This record gives sequence, C-alpha cells and structure tokens, in this order.
Amino acid sequence: KAGVTQTPRYLIKTRGQQVTLSCSPISGHRSVSWYQQTPGQGLQFLFEYFSETQRNKGNFPGRFSGRQFSNSRSEMNVSTLELGDSALYLCASSRGIGGSSYEQYFGPGTRLTVT
Amino acid sequence: ILNVEQSPQSLHVQEGDSTNFTCSFPSSNFYALHWYRWETAKSPEALFVMTLNGDEKKKGRISATLNTKEGYSYLYIKGSQPEDSATYLCGYWGAGNNRKLIWGLGTSLAVNP
Repeated sequence: KAGVTQTPRYLIKTRGQQVTLSCSPISGHRSVSWYQQTPGQGLQFLFEYFSETQRNKGNFPGRFSGRQFSNSRSEMNVSTLELGDSALYLCASSRGIGGSSYEQYFGPGTRLTVT
Repeated sequence: ILNVEQSPQSLHVQEGDSTNFTCSFPSSNFYALHWYRWETAKSPEALFVMTLNGDEKKKGRISATLNTKEGYSYLYIKGSQPEDSATYLCGYWGAGNNRKLIWGLGTSLAVNP
C-alpha cells in the first residue's frame, strides 16, 4: 500500500509570496492533518480535514488555509509569506479522526524556506 | 493552555542498556495518548495509541504504560540498539471541542555501539 506523499519536497520562496503544498493520503484514509515543525516549537497542529470538512484548527493566522478534495487529497496554502513561516510542513493521514484512537501516518514533509 | 511535557530532553546510552522516558499530560478530559518514533531523515512512525488507564502495550523491545489519573506515560526500551536512535514523541488528545493532537517536544535518544 502506498504511503502518504507530499509535494513538493523542498521549496524556496520570498517574503510576500504565497505557496501551496499538496498531500495525498493513504488509500482509504479520510482524515488529513497538517503540522508545522520548527526546531524550537516542535510539532504544531495547523488543521485537520475529514471528508472534505475542516474538523479542527490550530492557533495559526488566517494566512494559513487548507482544503480537502473528494478523493481525500489535501492542499495547504500560505499567503503573504513571512520569514517565520520557514519550517518543515508535515501532513498525516488516518482512517478516522486523526489523533483519536487511530494512529496517524506521516508523509515525508515539505521543507519551506522563506527568504 | 494544554501542555505536554517530555523528559528527559535528550539521552545518550550504550548499546544493551535499558532506558525509559516520560510524557506528562493534562489528567482531565483525557481521550488518547500517542507515541511516535522519528528517525532522522524519515517520517514520524506510530508506536502506540493508548486510551485506557492502566494500558500497557508492547512492540518488540519497546513497551509503554499509561496512567491517565495522574497524567503520565512511560516508554521503555529494553536492550537499546543503535537503530533505536531517534526522537520519541508523545501526543495528547483530549476530549471536548476542538480536539487536536498536542505534541511534546520529544526525547532524543542516541545509542552508542
């Protein structure tokens, strides 16, 4: 069974630009969660989508948005990039609502650098 | 603000040593506790998902216990091997609205051959 895939793997953007990251979950998984990982903050929850609906949202500004398509693929968008948005962005899929009693399967991440 | 704390922050052991780490989390509104292993240049990989007070789970040389009343979980590694070198993360999932996994900063384990 194919794992979670994320594209692109690496990205360099300049301040003020916007970026879209993509995540394809494991086949049959309906939940996709997004996380931001920075050295000092650890894994920070961005949002979770389940069956095309945003279920939960973390404490991030409105510049961070996402969506999920009918095939469960998900995209995350960050507008007006700031230097502090430089991070590893991970997505994770699960059979049920992520983080409940279902384990999450993580993708390899997208490393975003904002200059 | 919900906090999940892990200790120690880092650990260096010799091959063959047994070791354990702690994850502390809010004892109220508990729903689930997750343990993941994150090796360098790889993705986090689930070890255990624990939901019941007193739960004990085991996978090979790794085991975990859960105490939801006092808000802690222990992860044990018996006879550490160099391939156990990784960061071990715990995530807390609470009941109620706006549920989400809240992660600790991890324990970084280095096993010297």
